[in-house]
Amino acid sequence: DAGVIQSPRHEVTEMGQEVTLRCKPISGHDYLFWYRQTMMRGLELLIYFNNNVPIDDSGMPEDRFSAKMPNASFSTLKIQPSEPRDSAVYFCASSSQGGGTEAFFGQGTRLTVV
Amino acid sequence: DAKTTQPTSMDCAEGRAANLPCNHSTISGNEYVYWYRQIHSQGPQYIIHGLKNNETNEMASLIITEDRKSSTLILPHATLRDTAVYYCIVRVVWRSQGNLIFGKGTKLSVKP
Repeated sequence: DAGVIQSPRHEVTEMGQEVTLRCKPISGHDYLFWYRQTMMRGLELLIYFNNNVPIDDSGMPEDRFSAKMPNASFSTLKIQPSEPRDSAVYFCASSSQGGGTEAFFGQGTRLTVV
Repeated sequence: DAKTTQPTSMDCAEGRAANLPCNHSTISGNEYVYWYRQIHSQGPQYIIHGLKNNETNEMASLIITEDRKSSTLILPHATLRDTAVYYCIVRVVWRSQGNLIFGKGTKLSVKP
């Protein structure tokens, strides 16, 4: 397996534009996590899914952010409209079911909103 | 999930063992202890995890106290490439619950 795949790796967009980040989890994994990392806040959990169902979205900063998981092999994180303060590295991670399983992270998408 | 407390930073000489402590005094019986690290600009990397017993793999050893209120990650022979931020996390995975929440971590600097 190629691991967790995120696209794009880098995104530069203008304030007000819609941004869509994509994630392909490891095949067979039941959990999918979206994180945001900044120098100020560190690594924040935004939302996580179990079996394609959102379980906890309490970390989503505001209504401009939305996440979907239409099937077990694909998830998106959308920001509309984007703002400069959304600039960060966004990570996706996946893990399988079970108490002692590890989560694998993608390489991240570096988002810059100008 | 229980919270963890880690020192902000630590130094270690190359070739020596690095011992990274973590306090998780409110851990519950079904929570696992996980360790991850993040090398600059990369995604976090899984190192090791455990429930009650000490664990060892090719990367590190995990020592969990008998009361499970604290643990230590041991890198037996630290190299310069081990310079990273190390995160200690406690996590329960039960039915649909299983979030993975990162704290501030410990910035380990391995020096020549």
